[in-house]
Amino acid sequence: DTAVSQTPKYLVTQMGNDKSIKCEQNLGHDTMYWYKQDSKKFLKIMFSYNNKELIINETVPNRFSPKSPDKAHLNLHINSLELGDSAVYFCASSLTGALNEQFFGPGTRLTVL
Amino acid sequence: GQQVMQIPQYQHVQEGEDFTTYCNSSTTLSNIQWYKQRPGGHPVFLIQLVKSGEVKKQKRLTFQFGEAKKNSSLHITATQTTDVGTYFCAGPSGTYKYIFGTGTRLKVLA
Repeated sequence: DTAVSQTPKYLVTQMGNDKSIKCEQNLGHDTMYWYKQDSKKFLKIMFSYNNKELIINETVPNRFSPKSPDKAHLNLHINSLELGDSAVYFCASSLTGALNEQFFGPGTRLTVL
Repeated sequence: GQQVMQIPQYQHVQEGEDFTTYCNSSTTLSNIQWYKQRPGGHPVFLIQLVKSGEVKKQKRLTFQFGEAKKNSSLHITATQTTDVGTYFCAGPSGTYKYIFGTGTRLKVLA
């Protein structure tokens, strides 16, 4: 059983398009995250959700809109894709609280042409 | 804002040599976590340290949390090719956010 799953694994698209990435966790966690990992491997948090509520928005452009329909799902929609959006996007989840490990999904490699 | 830096950025070692990565935070941390990311993979949790001066071991891996709780280290004894990957430390910034270190990419030459 996959703990944190993401779809799609790869996404290749043209500049200006809109795309979505889906994430689901079956661990019963309350908190979910989106991270962006650039070509230099820096892992930067984008959003944190707790019980479907947005808690952290790390100065991400408005073109990025996360949505959490329930505790187990956190999707990421990106409008008007730009070249600089090319990266690997990881979803993660954890129990609530700073002392809990995060479980990461396999990642979605987004390439904007 | 809070920053977490790691050195070195890259390290190439011969199989069997030891390896250490250092993690430094600009602020005092309540705890620190370590993750390993294999090439093409996702970060996987290794360990968490909470107490000042804490040392934990996992087989050939030794993790240490500094006395001031602003730095940490990961030491691997006698590296193996399976140790290849990027090692990240991560410190909390509030309840719902972790700041990941810049990472150390380890290559092990057979």
